[in-house]
Amino acid sequence: AQTVTQSQPEMSVQEAETVTLSCTYDTSENNYYLFWYKQPPSRQMILVIRQEAYKQQNATENRFSVNFQKAAKSFSLKISDSQLGDTAMYFCAFIYSEGGATNKLIFGTGTLLAVQP
Amino acid sequence: DTAVSQTPKYLVTQMGNDKSIKCEQNLGHDTMYWYKQDSKKFLKIMFSYNNKELIINETVPNRFSPKSPDKAHLNLHINSLELGDSAVYFCASSRSPGHHIYEQYFGPGTRLTVT
Repeated sequence: AQTVTQSQPEMSVQEAETVTLSCTYDTSENNYYLFWYKQPPSRQMILVIRQEAYKQQNATENRFSVNFQKAAKSFSLKISDSQLGDTAMYFCAFIYSEGGATNKLIFGTGTLLAVQP
Repeated sequence: DTAVSQTPKYLVTQMGNDKSIKCEQNLGHDTMYWYKQDSKKFLKIMFSYNNKELIINETVPNRFSPKSPDKAHLNLHINSLELGDSAVYFCASSRSPGHHIYEQYFGPGTRLTVT
């Protein structure tokens, strides 16, 4: 079974500082993707960043970057220069391909990030 | 232009009632999904449809019945609502899964409250 674990229920960071959110996952699949989704108080699910498992290079999107350690099954999210608008629940998610049969996202339990002014 | 839309955004109803939530996507995707987010914010897939065909049914009570009239729409009908059905329900869509994996785009969610 595939599982995603986020061990930090809540985190806090000062505006303009850097914060890292942790995520580990368990799978025996080889073809999979990992995502970080952001859910602000508006409750909209917003894709922050994605990482293909076959790519060794860590994904980056502006102030957001990941540290993907495939052997350790770790996928952490680093937010640089934190902004008040980054305050949200962050979900790590895993998805794999079963030859076209399924494409379901498996989510972690989320980390509530508060950016303090 | 809204990519994935859901109606209604809020739904308050009494136990025992039957209600529906509608979802539409204008992204041209072939696959649509329903996810449930419980009171602890945990998200779990309920159903997935590909080209109007059910491909995922995650042991959801049969009071929940999804219906896909066409590729752009996936509705969720819930019979005999129970208190435990209170949650936020998200619709999502993606290109058809296959060897490649495609990201899913989420609607704004429908907050269902059963009293």
